[in-house]
Amino acid sequence: RKEVEQDPGPFNVPEGATVAFNCTYSNSASQSFFWYRQDCRKEPKLLMSVYSSGNEDGRFTAQLNRASQYISLLIRDSKLSDSATYLCVVTTWGDMRFGAGTRLTVKP
Amino acid sequence: EAQVTQNPRYLITVTGKKLTVTCSQNMNHEYMSWYRQDPGLGLRQIYYSMNVEVTDKGDVPEGYKVSRKEKRNFPLILESPSPNQTSLYFCASAPDGFQPQHFGDGTRLSIL
Repeated sequence: RKEVEQDPGPFNVPEGATVAFNCTYSNSASQSFFWYRQDCRKEPKLLMSVYSSGNEDGRFTAQLNRASQYISLLIRDSKLSDSATYLCVVTTWGDMRFGAGTRLTVKP
Repeated sequence: EAQVTQNPRYLITVTGKKLTVTCSQNMNHEYMSWYRQDPGLGLRQIYYSMNVEVTDKGDVPEGYKVSRKEKRNFPLILESPSPNQTSLYFCASAPDGFQPQHFGDGTRLSIL
């Protein structure tokens, strides 16, 4: 079983849609959680960190459920520029595990 | 400008010919890491370093070596490259092993 499981998609949504991505992790000792965005085999870029209390950055909301070992990302009012692959990352004492990524395409 | 610099960006080489991919960061970060990315498998961690002279194996360390003699540099060494090491490689750094990482532009490596 993979340490970080992520729905690979692809997700094809119209502009303005709300889309949610989920990720589960197997190591209950994991300490830090992030969502990254990657465009077309370029370097991953941090989208947001994920906290137990939940956090929001504009149209993006991230949630962490430690009991269920589950993190999520919600994108509201999708834009064409949101088209990318979204990667969840789980960290345990420097050991970083990435999900395989969920591809999102936002269409006009 | 804060950055992680990898060299070379592209390399085509042959099986068995030792190669080194350099990685340098100018942010005084303690943590550095190497990843490979393959279609369908996502990013997998090869080695990481929490500080100078401290390195640890990641998910896929076989066939690779690293060293961390100084804070800013973390080279990835392939002593005897093989075709299954053909991949896209990323170096990254962070203030520590719990914070978000800043990635280099990537090195596309082809081993024939």
